[in-house]
Amino acid sequence: DIQMTQSPSSLSASVGDRVTITCRASQSVNYYLNWYQQKPGKAPKLLTYAASSLESGVPSRFSGSGSGTDFTLTISSLQPEDFATYYCQQSHETPWTFGQGTKVE
Amino acid sequence: EVQLVQSGAEVKKPGESLKISCKGSGYSFTRFWIGWVRQMPGKGLEWIGIIYPADSDTTYSPSFQGQVTISADKSINTAYLEWSSLKDSDTAMYYCARAGGADRAFDYWGQGALVTVSS
Repeated sequence: DIQMTQSPSSLSASVGDRVTITCRASQSVNYYLNWYQQKPGKAPKLLTYAASSLESGVPSRFSGSGSGTDFTLTISSLQPEDFATYYCQQSHETPWTFGQGTKVE
Repeated sequence: EVQLVQSGAEVKKPGESLKISCKGSGYSFTRFWIGWVRQMPGKGLEWIGIIYPADSDTTYSPSFQGQVTISADKSINTAYLEWSSLKDSDTAMYYCARAGGADRAFDYWGQGALVTVSS
């Protein structure tokens, strides 16, 4: 299985901050890297796919970058509704593994 | 509007069987993979497996192979996740999700089904 490692596991930030979360794959996943946001008691929500494509309806303050093994999710200016847990996921080969999550608080 | 609607919460005893469902609507059900994801209490997301409803082609994570069965009935646009003998450790929220497009990201998710296994 491809292992996905996110850092940090949690971070403390304030409204207006620029937030960066990284995700590293144990082997190349090409550009098949997706980011999700999950709020307590809710299903995950797709933010970006194929490393850098923004899902329809997702605010432009979210952006994804990277390829191969190293990827980044950036929130350019943190908003109150962005406090949540974020997961990366590779869909290059099965099983489509998730990172362990990063809690933004 | 694309929707995935899952069956309700279940409370079961160890050793019992269970089949939960995920009904798709608002899109061509047979054209997209459906995946299942586990989230144990207070933990992260775990990929269980996927099924292609058109031909029921199925792939499991090695961690879940032999522990669950994924199936689909394309005539009623419904996918299933099944256990033959539940364990306490199967207590979790289970989500179904649609893998949309060539990038295979999960673009639509069900609301989740909470499975509680307790004696």
